Amino acid sequence: QVQLQESGPGLVKPSETLSLSCAVSVGSISGSFWSWIRQPAGKRLEWIGRINTSGSTSYNPSLKSRVTMSVDTTNNQFSLRLSSVTAADTAVYYCAREHKTMVLDYWGQGTLVTVSS
Amino acid sequence: DIQMTQSPSTLSASVGDRVTITCRASQSISSWLAWYQQKPGKAPKLLIYKASTLESGVPSRFSGSGSGTEFTLTISSLQPDDFATYYCQQYDSSRTFGQGTKVEIK
Repeated sequence: QVQLQESGPGLVKPSETLSLSCAVSVGSISGSFWSWIRQPAGKRLEWIGRINTSGSTSYNPSLKSRVTMSVDTTNNQFSLRLSSVTAADTAVYYCAREHKTMVLDYWGQGTLVTVSS
Repeated sequence: DIQMTQSPSTLSASVGDRVTITCRASQSISSWLAWYQQKPGKAPKLLIYKASTLESGVPSRFSGSGSGTEFTLTISSLQPDDFATYYCQQYDSSRTFGQGTKVEIK
């Protein structure tokens, strides 16, 4: 059973950088892509991007200029950085696994990030 | 960008009803479509991938069909645990989700 747990500040100031990490409990995080998805209150899910353990990334074109993902294979975790945040970036942020089926089969519980001064 | 549109946005149904949700893509996505179920305050749960393949452990009352630009999720006999919001997601080019369909108690 794969378990994912997001962590990071729940409050970020406008224009600053949002930073989140996702800890993965599985033997090895190799062989999968690791994704970030967000959901503003009452709105649809939005895919942010994904990374694998080779460092190969794919980002949502609408967020690409502000997103950086990284992976730490030693500690079985991966991270998201979203720069120049505004109130529109307020959302529940989820991390998830994208395995061989290319869909999101395991998800973290989500963490609420509010952008406010 | 590939846009995903679901209908209806809200569906009122009773236990035992057959329920169908439609998802349309703005361009052909072959069969690269997944369905998720989300309950309030919880992460989405994968139900179906590649348009019609049931994820392990998902009850057989859930089924998916379609290809190209039009897809359906069917629940053959609605159970109390099925009242939730359902999202489709394409993974042909990048990944995008539909706006969701809330299945509520009639």
